[in-house]
Parts: sequence; structure tokens; C-alpha cells
Amino acid sequence: EAGVAQSPRYKIIEKRQSVAFWCNPISGHATLYWYQQILGQGPKLLIQFQNNGVVDDSQLPKDRFSAERLKGVDSTLKIQPAKLEDSAVYLCASSLGPGQGGLHEQYFGPGTRLTVT
Amino acid sequence: AQSVTQLDSHVSVSEGTPVLLRCNYSSSYSPSLFWYVQHPNKGLQLLLKYTSAATLVKGINGFEAEFKKSETSFHLTKPSAHMSDAAEYFCVVSGRSGNTPLVFGKGTRLSVIA
Repeated sequence: EAGVAQSPRYKIIEKRQSVAFWCNPISGHATLYWYQQILGQGPKLLIQFQNNGVVDDSQLPKDRFSAERLKGVDSTLKIQPAKLEDSAVYLCASSLGPGQGGLHEQYFGPGTRLTVT
Repeated sequence: AQSVTQLDSHVSVSEGTPVLLRCNYSSSYSPSLFWYVQHPNKGLQLLLKYTSAATLVKGINGFEAEFKKSETSFHLTKPSAHMSDAAEYFCVVSGRSGNTPLVFGKGTRLSVIA
């Protein structure tokens, strides 16, 4: 079974530029998450999708960050304009959809390391 | 609200000696608890999880953790450290069912000395 795919793996941009990250979840996983991991800290949830709908985006800085999952499969996370403090690893995770019982384990992709200079 | 506190930012052990990584949690309801490991430049890997069954949970690579409600703790242990165990370890809390977000601790870096 293929895992969660993310691209690019690394990105370096200057502040005030824009950047986009892509995530392809495990096939059949209805729930998709984006996390931000700043160096020296644990990952923090940015946004959670259920199919193509947003479940939780309370910690997403909406003035500069946006995310979409138009067809309920792949997702993109965009930052515009980027700030120095956005330098972090952006992790995508996916899990099974509702109605399948129990706690759904999240599977993580390798992440995209963003450096803003 | 849920949170976890990892009591040590860095733990150093000698190869072959026991490992103890400490974690306390806070939750307004019965939580699910996890330990994840992150090797340099690699993705997060689930070591083990507690979801209300047995309080002593066994995971991969010889790790185990014990859920102690009275102490609100979920410490990670391993009887004998191996060089390949050197990594960052995260204690994580979430809800009991469905698709609830994970709340991560700040991490503990484990170093293993030959």
C-alpha cells in the first residue's frame, strides 16, 4: 500500500513570496490533515478536511495561509506572502473516514521543509 | 482542552541500558495516547497507542508504555537501548474515536552512546 505522498520535499523562498505544497493521501482515506512543525517543537494542526469539506481550521493563519481539497483526494496548502516565521516542516497526514468505527490512525507523509530567507 | 508535557527535552543513555521517556497528559475526558518516533529527515512513525484497553501497551522495536490515570502519565520505556533508537520521540494525545486531531508534545531527543 502506498503511503502519503508530499511534494516538494524542500523549498527555499524569500519573504513575501508565495509557495504551494501538495499532498496525496492514502487511497480511500477520507480525512486529511496539514500540520506545521517548527524546529524544536512538535507538529501543530493547521487544518483538517473530511472529504472536500473543512472540519477544523481554527489554527490556520487565514490572512496568509489557504488550503483546498477540491475533489476530496489531493490537497494543496498555500502561503502568500511568506514570512520568516513560516520556516518549518509541513506535514500531511491522512486517516479513514467516519462510520468505520474506533479511533482512526493517522499516517504521515515525509513532509516539506520550507526555508524562508 | 487536551495537552501533553514531555518532561525532558533531551535524554542520553548508553547502549544496552534502559530507556525512560516521561510524558504527562491533561484531558477533560478519557483520552487516547500515542508515542511517535521521528528519525532525522524521515516521517513520523507510530510506536504504540493506548485507546482504553490494557493499560500496559506494547509497541514496535521493544518499546512499551503504561497508562496511569492516577498520575496522568504515559511514560515510554525500553529495557535495552540500541544505537538505532536515537531519534526524536513525541508523546501525543487525542480524542477517543473518529477523526480527532493529534496534539503533540514538544518532543524528547534520545541520544544513545556506544
